Amino acid sequence: DTGVSQNPRHKITKRGQNVTFRCDPISEHNRLYWYRQTLGQGPEFLTYFQNEAQLEKSRLLSDRFSAERPKGSFSTLEIQRTEQGDSAMYLCASSKGLAGSYNEQFFGPGTRLTVL
Amino acid sequence: EDQVTQSPEALRLQEGESSSLNCSYTVSGLRGLFWYRQDPGKGPEFLFTLYSAGEEKEKERLKATLTKKESFLHITAPKPEDSATYLCAVQWSGGSNYKLTFGKGTLLTVNP
Repeated sequence: DTGVSQNPRHKITKRGQNVTFRCDPISEHNRLYWYRQTLGQGPEFLTYFQNEAQLEKSRLLSDRFSAERPKGSFSTLEIQRTEQGDSAMYLCASSKGLAGSYNEQFFGPGTRLTVL
Repeated sequence: EDQVTQSPEALRLQEGESSSLNCSYTVSGLRGLFWYRQDPGKGPEFLFTLYSAGEEKEKERLKATLTKKESFLHITAPKPEDSATYLCAVQWSGGSNYKLTFGKGTLLTVNP
């Protein structure tokens, strides 16, 4: 399977704990995105990488959230001091493209986070 | 004001009963409009990209069309396996580079 993969698929944690999610994009894709989706809503943009550079962060991404893509391949999203409001599906997507192109984004299966 | 609005929120059809889903957008400088299908507990699955008014794309029982302010997803003779949430998203010149702005989706249920 050469699609976007995410791990873990499910994470249950207690309020105040730190969690980290991993995303492996489609191998030839140089762009990687993180989104968050709550029940009954469409995905909301969190952050975007072009290769290893984090080029944009949403205001939804508070100081407790940090994302990295150290070698321009896989990415991690860490949430520190989790809150119950962080409970959501965290989606990763990837796309390929040259500068100025707007290619379709392919999504992974998501990581479902539950904060107790 | 929502930038992308999908209607109806939910739609129930009988197998074989054709219908359309609507996605209207208020953004200026549309760069692309995207349709996705999402099954419960899974990530969105890409269906179509539309770039300019008048463009149409087809895939099996689905056909997507685009005008200057809205897009339609037409479903012809649907089957129960077409049941899913259908999401519409836009990329636009006033938005940040490359991010997708999604609507809330239309939950489609097709009864046998």
